[in-house]
Amino acid sequence: QQQVKQSPQSLIVQKGGISIINCAYENTAFDYFPWYQQFPGKGPALLIAIRPDVSEKKEGRFTISFNKSAKQFSLHIMDSQPGDSATYFCAASADAGGTSYGKLTFGQGTILTVHP
Amino acid sequence: GAGVSQTPSNKVTEKGKYVELRCDPISGHTALYWYRQSLGQGPEFLIYFQGTGAADDSGLPNDRFFAVRPEGSVSTLKIQRTERGDSAVYLCASSSGRGLAGRTTDTQYFGPGTRLTVL
Repeated sequence: QQQVKQSPQSLIVQKGGISIINCAYENTAFDYFPWYQQFPGKGPALLIAIRPDVSEKKEGRFTISFNKSAKQFSLHIMDSQPGDSATYFCAASADAGGTSYGKLTFGQGTILTVHP
Repeated sequence: GAGVSQTPSNKVTEKGKYVELRCDPISGHTALYWYRQSLGQGPEFLIYFQGTGAADDSGLPNDRFFAVRPEGSVSTLKIQRTERGDSAVYLCASSSGRGLAGRTTDTQYFGPGTRLTVL
């Protein structure tokens, strides 16, 4: 069952542009929504995360927008740089009282290429 | 301190063979997770340990897969009678396991993964 759907599969932007990646989820029990960045040959690394009690969270050039009613969230990368070129994954987890603590369900990933 | 380490970084085996993949979590982290990442896909959850016990093994695809964490630190993922479909990158992650009560706030730190190729 595909619980987190991510789009687009790939994205090309020019240096200085805005990169936008979208995710939609089905499980209304999800209450934690992180974004991970992955470079080739490396494991995913947490970029930024949000909980459904806020609609937006900003950290530097990275912003998460969250729409609880639509069950959607997105990552915005402002002033995109060539060094941002990587694969980005959205994810979600549900607080199951400890039995599935932190179990992440990932989207399919978006390959971002930022041209200089 | 050091991050999550995984060995070997690459493993090539023949169909039907047994393999073991090792994960060294960040020191002091009580929660440990295994994920599997197929080419072009996001990681998929396999199993979660809290301390020495497997709290959730619902992601293990079948009984050929087994994982242990006997002393609550290092974990080994074991795959019996490997099949070509088992080829993937196996990722390990750890977290402190001390998030706010009732909230999943812990950041999961991932290792670089073990790339398993079954010929």
